[in-house]
Amino acid sequence: AQSVTQLGSHVSVSEGALVLLRCNYSSSVPPYLFWYVQYPNQGLQLLLKYTTGATLVKGINGFEAEFKKSETSFHLTKPSAHMSDAAEYFCAVRRASGGSYIPTFGRGTSLIVHP
Amino acid sequence: EAGVTQFPSHSVIEKGQTVTLRCDPISGHDNLYWYRRVMGKEIKFLLHFVKESKQDESGMPNNRFLAERTGGTYSTLKVQPAELEDSGVYFCASSQGGSYNSPLHFGNGTRLTVT
Repeated sequence: AQSVTQLGSHVSVSEGALVLLRCNYSSSVPPYLFWYVQYPNQGLQLLLKYTTGATLVKGINGFEAEFKKSETSFHLTKPSAHMSDAAEYFCAVRRASGGSYIPTFGRGTSLIVHP
Repeated sequence: EAGVTQFPSHSVIEKGQTVTLRCDPISGHDNLYWYRRVMGKEIKFLLHFVKESKQDESGMPNNRFLAERTGGTYSTLKVQPAELEDSGVYFCASSQGGSYNSPLHFGNGTRLTVT
């Protein structure tokens, strides 16, 4: 079964510091991987995705992630944190189900940004 | 275009009562998904509709949960009778296609509290 594991339920950084949110996947087939962000009282929004092709993918708001097959990882990074990045971040993998692909999410990581 | 809308945004009910959650997907989106997040845990898949048909309901916890999508438009998720462990945030999402590349659009969720 395809799944993702997010390491760390909370990550705290100072404004301007590097953001690193970790995600490892488990999949017997090439995975389709995603990062979503959820701001308070809102739904999830897609940040970026990896399906095929370039392993370094860029998303919105300056985030990027690198697919590393050898490490089964898809960590999310941003060079310089901004206060507005404070939110919860979810890694997801899409698993095949009857011709469709169902997103399966991790537990989420809360990003806290200090002034 | 209007996004995915969910009603109500909050619901507080007593154990043993019935609650019905509603999701209006984006117009024209054949695929509709229900998810649930219990506090601190992963966003768990409940079921997937393609138009009015249940494509995958492997995540439905038990027969106290009933999802419908009559006419392939809006969907309802009924919990009857509600138990304490049903508390959580219920998310609905829709997409036009079901492929790995089809972006999901999420509603803001319904926060259900069972006391």
